[in-house]
Order: sequence, then C-alpha cells, then structure tokens
Amino acid sequence: DGGITQSPKYLFRKEGQNVTLSCEQNLNHDAMYWYRQDPGQGLRLIYYSQIVNDFQKGDIAEGYSVSREKKESFPLTVTSAQKNPTAFYLCASSTPEIAPNTGELFFGEGSRLTVL
Amino acid sequence: AQKVTQAQTEISVVEKEDVTLDCVYETRDTTYYLFWYKQPPSGELVFLIRRNSFDEQNEISGRYSWNFQKSTSSFNFTITASQVVDSAVYFCALRDTGGFKTIFGAGTRLFVKA
Repeated sequence: DGGITQSPKYLFRKEGQNVTLSCEQNLNHDAMYWYRQDPGQGLRLIYYSQIVNDFQKGDIAEGYSVSREKKESFPLTVTSAQKNPTAFYLCASSTPEIAPNTGELFFGEGSRLTVL
Repeated sequence: AQKVTQAQTEISVVEKEDVTLDCVYETRDTTYYLFWYKQPPSGELVFLIRRNSFDEQNEISGRYSWNFQKSTSSFNFTITASQVVDSAVYFCALRDTGGFKTIFGAGTRLFVKA
C-alpha cells in the first residue's frame, strides 16, 4: 500500500542529544513537509522540500535540520539547540494541484519525542 | 498574514446529534484553498475536503457537509447524526494556490458519546 512511514513512533532523548526522525514515502510525491504538533496549537511547519536536494525553512525551523537526498526520504534531526523539543512530529507529502489531484497533504502516523 | 481560527477547543455530543465545527480564516490572497482534516487517535491526519476560493457551492458527502461563505471568511463543517467513530480532532487549514505552506487552525476535539 502507498503511504508515509515514520519511525520511531516513540522516542526518548536526554537533554543535549541530537535525534533523527525518519520519514519515507512511496507515493512518488515531490513535496514533503515536517510539522510539529503541540496541545492546543495545531500544526506548525518546521521545514518543507519541493524537490530533491532542495528544502526551505518553515515557521519554526530553529533547532532543526533536514536533508532531501532521495525523493522518498526526508529525515528530520532535532538538535540540542532546540529548546523545547518534546512534541508530536508529523511528516507529510502532497500531490500537485493539477486535477484530478487536489494538493492535499498525506500524513504519516507521527513520532512522539520526549526529552527526559 | 494568513490565519485560521477554530474557536471551539472541545465539543461533546451524544450519538445521533448534529454538530457544527466552526472555522474562520484570514488571508490577503484572492485565490486560495481551504481544507478540513480529521485526526483520529492513531495520530495521522486524514484529508476530508478541499474548497477553492472561487467555488462557494456547499458540499455534502454522506453525513458530512461543508458551508463556505466568503463574505464572512468562514468554512464550517457539519456532521449529521454523529457516531462514536466521528470522535477525533478536526483541523481546518488554508493554503494559497501554487504555494507550499498550509496553515492550520488549532483544531477542535470532538467527543461523541454513545
């Protein structure tokens, strides 16, 4: 089945450690995204990538880094510079807007990061 | 700046009741898309509907219906005869055409009790 796979589902990190969240898609989508979800705040965009080897900062990119070496993969690294990293992280990809596609986002099941 | 407001944080209804989830948006763009997504307990968001800014026709899909009113910048979502399986967090979202940034509201958590 086509979809987006995120791993790990749960991750615990000590303060000062970097962690990398994996995101793989087999939907053949060009665009991929990372969102952060905190209670009562909706989803906020961290980084997005329109094509391979290219990515842009979203609204809350500080303390995060990404790479896009393959179309299928868009890993997110949460660095020790991120002051409040405990959150639920969602990876997504999107179809182009050309009909019959609607440009909607397809999401993975998320990774919950807890800093101890 | 773009903004999406979902003023209802939580709604609780009894099964078979109708419920409306409110969404108000702000944008300076003349063309844009509006979306609704559902987030069940499993965590992944599921796309429900997209509306273009130039198409104000209301839409019905089974028990779901959407009311888009450009004059009030609202895109409300109604579930008729709610069911326990409708319990989830619902997000309204906005994106300009040709853009890559989708702005989400804070979400409304819906509890449907049997």
